[in-house]
Amino acid sequence: QKEVEQNSGPLSVPEGAIASLNCTYSDRGSQSFFWYRQYSGKSPELIMSIYSNGDKEDGRFTAQLNKASQYVSLLIRDSQPSDSATYLCAVERRDDKIIFGKGTRLHILP
Amino acid sequence: GAGVSQSPSNKVTEKGKDVELRCDPISGHTALYWYRQSLGQGLEFLIYFQGNSAPDKSGLPSDRFSAERTGGSVSTLTIQRTQQEDSAVYLCASSFASGTYEQYFGPGTRLTVT
Repeated sequence: QKEVEQNSGPLSVPEGAIASLNCTYSDRGSQSFFWYRQYSGKSPELIMSIYSNGDKEDGRFTAQLNKASQYVSLLIRDSQPSDSATYLCAVERRDDKIIFGKGTRLHILP
Repeated sequence: GAGVSQSPSNKVTEKGKDVELRCDPISGHTALYWYRQSLGQGLEFLIYFQGNSAPDKSGLPSDRFSAERTGGSVSTLTIQRTQQEDSAVYLCASSFASGTYEQYFGPGTRLTVT
């Protein structure tokens, strides 16, 4: 099992709809979780961090964490064409090392 | 500075030459990370520094790769005797400390080995 797994996509979502991006991780001791957005040819940009079970909302973005299921997700409401990018899930292992998933490509259809 | 800076932004070198890539982290950030990203691929961890020490060098692909950090600030990644497979974007990130804290990335250095 990979340490951090994401569906590579592409995930196609109509403009205005909700995009749902998922990530699973293997280390039960992980405590910190991050979502990054990466546009083509650019470096990753931090969108959200989440540390506790439940939901965390920031504007159109909601991060959801379920440690029992070892699952973290990112919801993007009212999707815009500018949201088209690759979304990277990152998880802190118990040894403090941050492990990145390979990312999910999201395509918002105008 | 306002963000993580890296230089050069682009580097083209001939196979067998040595290259140095530089990273200047956000002021006050004690942790610094180097990653490599090949075209269309995910992030490959290379090494991280906490202060001037490197607790984890496990990602360095070979002994041709080395990195140092001086004064708890600027870091240099050196690749000796470059090979074509070294061609990639090299990304640097920094954070307040290792683990829990968010990492902020620089713009990267695109290395092309011909």
